[in-house]
Amino acid sequence: GENVEQHPSTLSVQEGDSAVIKCTYSDSASNYFPWYKQELGKGPQLIIDIRSNVGEKKDQRIAVTLNKTAKHFSLHITETQPEDSAVYFCAANGGNNNDMRFGAGTRLTVKP
Amino acid sequence: DAGITQSPRHKVTETGTPVTLRCHQTENHRYMYWYRQDPGHGLRLIHYSYGVKDTDKGEVSDGYSVSRSKTEDFLLTLESATSSQTSVYFCAISESRQGHEQYFGPGTRLTVT
Repeated sequence: GENVEQHPSTLSVQEGDSAVIKCTYSDSASNYFPWYKQELGKGPQLIIDIRSNVGEKKDQRIAVTLNKTAKHFSLHITETQPEDSAVYFCAANGGNNNDMRFGAGTRLTVKP
Repeated sequence: DAGITQSPRHKVTETGTPVTLRCHQTENHRYMYWYRQDPGHGLRLIHYSYGVKDTDKGEVSDGYSVSRSKTEDFLLTLESATSSQTSVYFCAISESRQGHEQYFGPGTRLTVT
């Protein structure tokens, strides 16, 4: 089955700086790659996603890039703010579309 | 949380007892999922449903069963709880046959002593 690796596990940045989180996947049949933000005590919230027919997608301060050849995708957050502090998860759907596999998560801390 | 509620939100139970967690949605989405979240493992799929009475196993289904008798409700049952099932359980819903755009509920924290 699909295996998703996520790095780094923790990331600390100064307010206003950029943050980058990287994920790799193993199943070349994967075609959908979402990113989730989880705040303490809450469920994961879908913040952006990308499909395999697109190399990059942007939504305000958040962007995701996908390299299908290398089987990796990344989340970029620009002009970080303290409210961006949370745990972020990447995921890939693998060959079985309903079997979503998640990375282990990255705890992002944005220092004021 | 996209019209998804989970109950109970917290539960402490003893080893060997049966436990049922409930997920309720008001979005009329066809697909529903149960995940567990453990430190260092992200979220792992337990079971999912692709319609009323239609379910299938996920990555970590051993020790769990599910039922879906109505579109809006998806139940997760631990027939005989074990300490390894101490976790936070999340329900998710999707309109997509491909499992895209899954929206998560608030979670249930289960402790098995």
